[in-house]
Amino acid sequence: SAVISQKPSRDICQRGTSLTIQCQVDSQVTMMFWYRQQPGQSLTLIATANQGSEATYESGFVIDKFPISRPNLTFSTLTVSNMSPEDSSIYLCSAQGNEQFFGPGTRLTVL
Amino acid sequence: QKEVEQNSGPLSVPEGAIASLNCTYSDRGSQSFFWYRQYSGKSPELIMFIYSNGDKEDGRFTAQLNKASQYVSLLIRDSQPSDSATYLCAAYTGTASKLTFGTGTRLQVTL
Repeated sequence: SAVISQKPSRDICQRGTSLTIQCQVDSQVTMMFWYRQQPGQSLTLIATANQGSEATYESGFVIDKFPISRPNLTFSTLTVSNMSPEDSSIYLCSAQGNEQFFGPGTRLTVL
Repeated sequence: QKEVEQNSGPLSVPEGAIASLNCTYSDRGSQSFFWYRQYSGKSPELIMFIYSNGDKEDGRFTAQLNKASQYVSLLIRDSQPSDSATYLCAAYTGTASKLTFGTGTRLQVTL
């Protein structure tokens, strides 16, 4: 199974600022995904991070708010832009090789 | 109608009993199904997956799939207090190339 790391593990941010979350996989993977999980709820897919092209966003998520980069087959970033308290959540990076695995998550609190 | 449905629970079983977790899905194009375990404050971890009708066993865990009924289940034999967690069912559709998650079932194994 792939080992996935995320940075930062948690952050407290002010309204109106932006935070970039990094995701590193220890092996090359075909697909990488970004999810959001709000307290007590299931996983919501934000977007699929495509290597060499724009990310594919799910309904309700837009590039201006959640820009994503994927410069190679082992790394991706998610930026949460112009944050509001409603963006407080856990953000999870996921990678798919033969199976899909998750990183440890980034717990974001917006004040 | 949600694409993947699970009873949110909590499902309470005594230690040593069999826990039965159920999941239904709406997309007949779904090809494979995954069970993840998520402890509070942690990211989901893959337990097992199944793509053929019938049963698949791995240690104390058995996944069951019935495509005609669009039904997936996870049985946990000899339940232990350490099995107490939220169990997420996910369906993979090749055309969409993504997992769709249910809302999860919270399992409590009591002493």
